[in-house]
Amino acid sequence: DIVITQSPDSLAVSLGERATINCKSSQSILYSSDTRNYLAWYQQKPGQPPKLLIYWASTRGSGVPDRFSGSGSGTDFTLTISSLQAEDVAVYYCQQYYSSPYTFGQGTKLEIK
Amino acid sequence: EVQLVESGGGLVQPGGSLRLSCVVSGFPFSDYWMTWVRQAPGKGLEWVANIKQDGSERDYVDSVKGRFTISRDNAKKSLYLQMNSLRAEDTAVYYCARGLWSLDCWGQGTLVTVSS
Repeated sequence: DIVITQSPDSLAVSLGERATINCKSSQSILYSSDTRNYLAWYQQKPGQPPKLLIYWASTRGSGVPDRFSGSGSGTDFTLTISSLQAEDVAVYYCQQYYSSPYTFGQGTKLEIK
Repeated sequence: EVQLVESGGGLVQPGGSLRLSCVVSGFPFSDYWMTWVRQAPGKGLEWVANIKQDGSERDYVDSVKGRFTISRDNAKKSLYLQMNSLRAEDTAVYYCARGLWSLDCWGQGTLVTVSS
């Protein structure tokens, strides 16, 4: 199984500042035939189901604000929130869908400093 | 409006069975792969199983293979998860979600508690 490791486990950032969350895969999740990275990012607020933020490592989901961006390729990926808003407090997960089982990272808890 | 509504969770003894349901609306159910994801209390997300549009392909995480069965009824716009031989470690909120890979719509979840 592909192991996904996120860092840090928790993060406190001031309002308006940049937040960066990292995601590392135990093997490359770049599919050579279509040059796509099979990685998604989700946001989960307390008491709510996850919400898709990013897919194909860098494509924003429907209605996702453009302060959220995804980058990276191969085994190393990053979710960046360019200017943290109060409503961004949540746990963020990355998930690989390169091979089954489609494993998630352990999550990164983002708080306001 | 897209909606996914899970039901069927509850308290069950170890070794028991439960059948979860997910009824969807607002999109053509038969056009989509569907997935179950679970989340143990206070823990992260775990992909459990998925099923192709016509039910011809199904896949499971190893920890539930042979115990859980995913199925669907496209006429009823419903997804199911039959869970047998339940263990304490199956205790979780179970979410149904739309998609094969990235999961773009999720239900609110249903809590399954396995305890004596």
